Amino acid sequence: GENVEQHPSTLSVQEGDSAVIKCTYSDSASNYFPWYKQELGKRPQLIIDIRSNVGEKKDQRIAVTLNKTAKHFSLHITETQPEDSAVYFCAARPPISGSARQLTFGSGTQLTVLP
Amino acid sequence: ETGVTQTPRHLVMGMTNKKSLKCEQHLGHNAMYWYKQSAKKPLELMFVYSLEERVENNSVPSRFSPECPNSSHLFLHLHTLQPEDSALYLCASSQEEVRGNSGANVLTFGAGSRLTVL
Repeated sequence: GENVEQHPSTLSVQEGDSAVIKCTYSDSASNYFPWYKQELGKRPQLIIDIRSNVGEKKDQRIAVTLNKTAKHFSLHITETQPEDSAVYFCAARPPISGSARQLTFGSGTQLTVLP
Repeated sequence: ETGVTQTPRHLVMGMTNKKSLKCEQHLGHNAMYWYKQSAKKPLELMFVYSLEERVENNSVPSRFSPECPNSSHLFLHLHTLQPEDSALYLCASSQEEVRGNSGANVLTFGAGSRLTVL
């Protein structure tokens, strides 16, 4: 099955700096890569996702890049703000094919934005 | 109420107790999930009910048993749990494609049920 590794596990940045979180996946057939944000005591929420037919997607201060050859994808947050502090999870999903179709999550990155 | 709601939000139980977690989704989705979230570990998929089919993670102990009476309700029945089962249990729902290969699978999570096993 799919295996997703996420780095770093913790990340501290100064407010206004950029943050980058990286994930690698094992199943070359995976074609959908979402990122979820979980603030302290709250539920995970989707913030951005990318499909394998594109290499980059941006939404205001956040962007995701995908390198299918190397099987890794990254989350980029620019001009970080204190409200960006949260745990971020990456995930990967293979195409529809029976019970193996579900999202596999990374272990999460605790991002702290220091004022 | 909209979204995905879970009850109870907090539960403390002994190892000999039997309890159930409840999840309800008001989004018209056709798939529901139970995830286990432990500190510093990936979100662990426990069970999926999707398009009237049940999928389970074979590593989940039999002391956890799911029930999905309809597409809007999902239960997780708990019995003879162990202290290591203490965790946040998250319910989620999504709209699965009947066919097609886009792979998109946007999960909407509930707020979770914090379980403590003494």
